[in-house]
Amino acid sequence: EVQLVESGGGLVQPGGSLRLSCAVSGFTFSSYEMNWVRQAPGKGLEWVSYISASGTATSYADSVKGRFTHSRDNAKNSLYLQMNSLRAEDTAVYYCARGLAAAGTSAYWGQGTLVTVSS
Amino acid sequence: QLVLTQSPSASASLGASVKLTCTLSSGHSSYAIAWHQQQPEKGPRYLMKVNSDGSHSKGDGIPDRFSGSSSGAERYLTISNLQSEDEADFYCQTWGTDIVVFGGGTKLTVL
Repeated sequence: EVQLVESGGGLVQPGGSLRLSCAVSGFTFSSYEMNWVRQAPGKGLEWVSYISASGTATSYADSVKGRFTHSRDNAKNSLYLQMNSLRAEDTAVYYCARGLAAAGTSAYWGQGTLVTVSS
Repeated sequence: QLVLTQSPSASASLGASVKLTCTLSSGHSSYAIAWHQQQPEKGPRYLMKVNSDGSHSKGDGIPDRFSGSSSGAERYLTISNLQSEDEADFYCQTWGTDIVVFGGGTKLTVL
């Protein structure tokens, strides 16, 4: 069974940092591209970042470019999102997802972790 | 620019069928898209990917009531025999080089 489990969310002050993790199981992690997607309260889904299967290629939404860093450890079946210089508008539920940017493969989502940026 | 456009809302009666539409921006009519469902207070769930030729591949456990199709730059999600649990937000999503794009979502109300 494919599972993606996010962790690391919480309350952080503006300007602060947080590191999200996504632990995966049930598939060969190193074979799949991965993404982070967020959803602000009452809003739609917003793509945040992509990482290739090997981890050598990443891309970011303009709203987080230069502040967020996406990485992965294929030996640990884990995905990470380092978030720096956090702003109130980064408040959202953050989801990790597999297979959003690949043809011929099913996508899977984690359950999400809430990040609240507030003083 | 790669953009997906969805109607904000749709409604249909219990037991009826509904067809949701996702429109690809100009120049991107060959792109495949994915449909995701988000029930109230839950995370998104992948439904299927729909190719430009109308072929589609569904996710694990997705009922036969859900189907996909295409026409030009439009991608469709048809839900037949609507159930109360189908009341949800539906998002279409696509991808390009170094980018993933979501539509704004359609809120489906089952009457």
